[in-house]
Amino acid sequence: SQKIEQNSEALNIQEGKTATLTCNYTNYSPAYLQWYRQDPGRGPVFLLLIRENEKEKRKERLKVTFDTTLKQSLFHITASQPADSATYLCGLRRNTPLVFGKGTRLSVIA
Amino acid sequence: GAVVSQHPSRVICKSGTSVKIECRSLDFQATTMFWYRQFPKKSLMLMATSNEGSKATYEQGVEKDKFLINHASLTLSTLTVTSAHPEDSSFYICSGQGVNTGELFFGEGSRLTVL
Repeated sequence: SQKIEQNSEALNIQEGKTATLTCNYTNYSPAYLQWYRQDPGRGPVFLLLIRENEKEKRKERLKVTFDTTLKQSLFHITASQPADSATYLCGLRRNTPLVFGKGTRLSVIA
Repeated sequence: GAVVSQHPSRVICKSGTSVKIECRSLDFQATTMFWYRQFPKKSLMLMATSNEGSKATYEQGVEKDKFLINHASLTLSTLTVTSAHPEDSSFYICSGQGVNTGELFFGEGSRLTVL
């Protein structure tokens, strides 16, 4: 069955550093992969989408890579700020509805 | 991005009652909406896919008679939890799908507590 793993449940980093979150998947060939941010008690907010034929996508301080050989996506936040603290979810999709990983809770410490 | 409005944000009800949650796409037409459920520190679990004008498609293990979904218009989908029990207490989130992209626009979620 499909399996999506986000590298760690929680990640703490120092303000100003680059946060790197990992999303690995097995038994799946997604057409695209998406990253969302979720704050406590709120619905997820879309951040970036990357397609299977794309290697990298950027948006301001965010960067996503997609390696279909490794079956992995990396999500980077450069120059991290305390306001970036949240849970980040990766979601995968081909012909089925979006399937999510459990998320990584990022804490950026000032 | 597009806006999805979900109401109510919080609801507390007694066991055995029914609760309706509304999900509206405010600035786009959502032919397809998805309903998710999320337990604390857990992933979003898809409950059902709601298509405008047709019956919802439920995921395995989700009781369609307990979780009634109606998608009567391109901007409104509702989820009714019938005869709610304490184990139905959870965070329910709806989302609409962008027409030209695969991204989902989520509502703010509804926290249901069944006493």
